Amino acid sequence: QSVLTQPPSVSGAPGQRVTISCTGSSSNIGAGYDVHWYQQLPGTAPKLLIYGNSNRPSGVPDRFSGSKSGTSASLAITGLQAEDEADYYCQSYDSSLSGYYVFGTGTKVTVL
Amino acid sequence: EVQLVESGGGLVKPGGSLRLSCAASGFTFSSYSMNWVRQAPGKGLEWVSSISSSSSYIYYADSVKGRFTISRDNAKNSLYLQMNSLRAEDTAVYYCAREDGSGWNNWFDPWGQGTLVTVSS
Repeated sequence: QSVLTQPPSVSGAPGQRVTISCTGSSSNIGAGYDVHWYQQLPGTAPKLLIYGNSNRPSGVPDRFSGSKSGTSASLAITGLQAEDEADYYCQSYDSSLSGYYVFGTGTKVTVL
Repeated sequence: EVQLVESGGGLVKPGGSLRLSCAASGFTFSSYSMNWVRQAPGKGLEWVSSISSSSSYIYYADSVKGRFTISRDNAKNSLYLQMNSLRAEDTAVYYCAREDGSGWNNWFDPWGQGTLVTVSS
């Protein structure tokens, strides 16, 4: 089971701002490990959206931004567009005995 | 263009075996750690296994430890996942992904298109 918790769904109208939280613990995000975000469009493979908490790979619009504080991280999408409707996952490293790379539970973003 | 292409998925009976392959191109394969990540139908992503560039370090999720074996052939730019004693709960799309970053703060980019493994009698 996932050790990073995300809300199952968020929604917003076109042009609005939505945020997705990713809550971890002292063995992952709270231990200082970076958080990365992926976007998975329907029927496709995940794609890297944010790396190192707040960095965007080339080609990713600046409407997407990431932040991290304490044991949590957040992904914000400003100026929501229809093509942003997708599943979003956070990912980090977990230093517990049975941990390694861990993903969030995933959040479905719906554009109203 | 950096590309990863998985193959080898299919239908297998519980207790059976399957070997997945991932062909890499467009980058120096031997310089990167590689991973397998899976996604059960309608579910989230689950990290499965990781192998370092020279195969010196190998890690598995508890859910597959002792049943799955990750390996690579740098001469063939290929990554493999040998899956034995398969269970219904192993049914998923399996993605190979290149690992990037430094230390433990690594991310996955790019990902292959995935190959579906179905375990059913």
